[in-house]
Amino acid sequence: DNVMTQTPLSLPVTLGQPASISCRSSQSLVRSDGNTYLSWLHQRPGQPPRLLIYKISNRFSGVPDRFSGSGAGTDFTLKISRVEAEDVGVYYCLQASHFPQTFGQGTKVEIK
Amino acid sequence: EEQLLESGGGLVQPGGSLRLSCAASGSTFTSYAMIWVRQAPGKGLEWVSGISSSGGDTFYADSVKGRFTISRDNSKKTLHLQMSSLRGEDTAVYYCAKDYSGYRWGQGTLVTVSS
Repeated sequence: DNVMTQTPLSLPVTLGQPASISCRSSQSLVRSDGNTYLSWLHQRPGQPPRLLIYKISNRFSGVPDRFSGSGAGTDFTLKISRVEAEDVGVYYCLQASHFPQTFGQGTKVEIK
Repeated sequence: EEQLLESGGGLVQPGGSLRLSCAASGSTFTSYAMIWVRQAPGKGLEWVSGISSSGGDTFYADSVKGRFTISRDNSKKTLHLQMSSLRGEDTAVYYCAKDYSGYRWGQGTLVTVSS
């Protein structure tokens, strides 16, 4: 199965400062149709996950533009340009290019 | 905005069965694949199963293959997960989500496998 490795697993951040999370896949996520199905999700405590980014860099409806995704092949990054208090929680990458689909372990973001 | 509502969770003994359902509101259910994802207490997200928009293609995690069956009824805009031979390690909150990329998520339903 495709293994998704996130770093770091814990990320203390200062309000107003940028933050970055990496996700590495054990195999290329480029599909035969040319698309790369890599998503980023955010989960607050006690809440279901919600989609932030799909297909590497596409912001989902209603997602603030301080969130951005980038990468290609096996290496992907989620960036928050200026962290706000509501951004705390756990961030997961999810690959949908290969079955079975797999998540990264999650990165816990907290305010310093 | 389409919403998803899971039901059918509860307490079940090891070896038992349970059927989860996910009811969708809105008009786009038939256009999208659907997935089930679970989260054990205090743990991360684990992808469980997926089904294409037509229901013709189904996919499973190795941990549930042969024990769980995913299905959908597009006329009723409902997704199901039939779970059998349940084990303690199946204890989790089970979420349904729209599309393989996880566009929308339900609130989840708790499944507890214990004697």
